[in-house]
Order: sequence, then C-alpha cells, then structure tokens
Amino acid sequence: SQQGEEDPQALSIQEGENATMNCSYKTSINNLQWYRQNSGRGLVHLILIRSNEREKHSGRLRVTLDTSKKSSSLLITASRAADTASYFCATEEANFGNEKLTFGTGTRLTIIP
Amino acid sequence: AAGVIQSPRHLIKEKRETATLKCYPIPRHDTVYWYQQGPGQDPQFLISFYEKMQSDKGSIPDRFSAQQFSDYHSELNMSSLELGDSALYFCASSILAGVLTNEQFFGPGTRLTVL
Repeated sequence: SQQGEEDPQALSIQEGENATMNCSYKTSINNLQWYRQNSGRGLVHLILIRSNEREKHSGRLRVTLDTSKKSSSLLITASRAADTASYFCATEEANFGNEKLTFGTGTRLTIIP
Repeated sequence: AAGVIQSPRHLIKEKRETATLKCYPIPRHDTVYWYQQGPGQDPQFLISFYEKMQSDKGSIPDRFSAQQFSDYHSELNMSSLELGDSALYFCASSILAGVLTNEQFFGPGTRLTVL
C-alpha cells in the first residue's frame, strides 16, 4: 500500500469554510511536505514540517504532525474558490541518502462559491 | 527567481518510439529528481542524481535511463514507448550539500502522450 494515504479522497465545501485534509504514512521520516496541484498542472510546494516540529503556520495554512501516530493534517482556513485543487502530502524517509519524496494519494478539494 | 525548467512541455510519440525529456535545475542546486504521475495518480519517484551520480532509484522501467551532466542538467531517456508511459513527468531539484532540510522545487512537468 502507499507510504502516504490521504483522507478524504475528495472534499467539497462552501467558500469561507475551513478544509481539513489528513495524511498517514508508514515509515520514520525527516520531514513531511504538502503540495497543491491544479488539474494536470505542476506541483506547488505549500509547506514543509520537520519531524521534530508539531505545528506550523503559513498564511491560511496550518499543518500539524504527530510522529507517534505517523499522521499529519493540513487545515486551510477561510477557503476561497481559488483553493480548488488536489492536495498531496509527501514524506522524506529518515534514511541517509534516501531523500526522494513519497507522495500520498491526494485529496481533491472543491470550493463551492 | 529562477525555477526548474523542463522541456519540452508537451510531447506526443507513437508506440515503440523513443523520447528524451530535459530538466534544468535551479542554479547551484546539486540534486535532481524525476517523478512520473499517471492520469489520476499520485507522483511516483523514478530516479535521482546527486553531483552527477545516481543517488537513488525507484520504480523506473529498464526501458528508461537517465543521467546528469556536468552543467547539472538532467535528461530522462525513454525507449520502446508503451501506451502506459503516457503521464506527466516532473523534475525537481534541491540542494543537499550542507543542508539539513531537503526542500525540492518542482518544474512545470512534461506531458508525454503515447499514441
């Protein structure tokens, strides 16, 4: 199964509401990153949280990391129509020389105006 | 600020043909990664290079090969193309030397369509 699995797979909310997406992973990690991707387009890096961090904020984004549960959540507050996209978590495993990213399955977020 | 450049942006090939995808990392970045994203799928790691040497290998078919050149650009060569190779191919670059946190910067991707 995937290193990263995201939940829910799809989420539709009204503009202005908050959106929460969750990610679970299996191995020990150096860091976890969240990316956004508009349909068929490139990956946009949103935020990186290190394994020794528990929470991080960036604008309307709030990311938490619980290494004991091997899970992370991404909260988007006051959502906007432009936030409609797929959101992926990606982990960098805690192995020296193994810096590749392993992506989760993604959450498709739709913001309804 | 300079970003990762990939070329071409779109490529259409027939089955059994070959394709070469190019990636130009951000200046002074020493590491390049290739990822493949099939339709509706999450990106999957293919291969990476650090200082022109292969550093890690993922689910890359034997029909594919890649290298990083002296100017740090990288090329992904794909032979005997199959319909299932149709995907978005992303290149990412990062600085590893002396850096604690590896943030990868992604290019816009090359969309390969195999007919």
